[in-house]
Amino acid sequence: KAGVTQTPRYLIKTRGQQVTLSCSPISGHRSVSWYQQTPGQGLQFLFEYFSETQRNKGNFPGRFSGRQFSNSRSEMNVSTLELGDSALYLCASSLLGGVNTGELFFGEGSRLTVL
Amino acid sequence: GENVEQHPSTLSVQEGDSAVIKCTYSDSASNYFPWYKQELGKGPQLIIDIRSNVGEKKDQRIAVTLNKTAKHFSLHITETQPEDSAVYFCAASIAAGTALIFGKGTTLSVSS
Repeated sequence: KAGVTQTPRYLIKTRGQQVTLSCSPISGHRSVSWYQQTPGQGLQFLFEYFSETQRNKGNFPGRFSGRQFSNSRSEMNVSTLELGDSALYLCASSLLGGVNTGELFFGEGSRLTVL
Repeated sequence: GENVEQHPSTLSVQEGDSAVIKCTYSDSASNYFPWYKQELGKGPQLIIDIRSNVGEKKDQRIAVTLNKTAKHFSLHITETQPEDSAVYFCAASIAAGTALIFGKGTTLSVSS
């Protein structure tokens, strides 16, 4: 069974640009969550999608947005990139649709560097 | 909202020793407490979890304890091995359908 797939794995952007990251969950999983990981800040919750609807949102500015498609694949977008957006962006899927009702399966992440 | 504090940020032990990582949470309504292990270059992976109706759970060399009154929970690893070296994250969530909030992580180094 294929795991969570994130693309691209690495990317470099400059300030002011925008970026789109993609996540394909494990087949059958309907919930997709996104986290930002930076040194010293750990894993910070961005948002969670379930059945194409954003169900939960963390404390990030509106420049961070996401969506989920009917096949459960998800994308997140960051507009007007800032240096502080440099991070590893992790996507996680779960089977039951509630982030505390079962295991989160994480992808290997997309490492974004903003110059 | 929920806030999770994790200590220590780094922990170095000798192979065979025990390691303990502690977390506190702020929202007394939290009822689910998983622990994730992240190896270099990989995403976090669940190693053990506990719910608020249980005080302790054990899986081979790993155990988690929960003190609801004090709002803290701990991860215990016995007989540590070099392959236990990784970053460990605790997390908490209030209810089904809410976000899982993570601590900032503990980097565990096991030297042989």
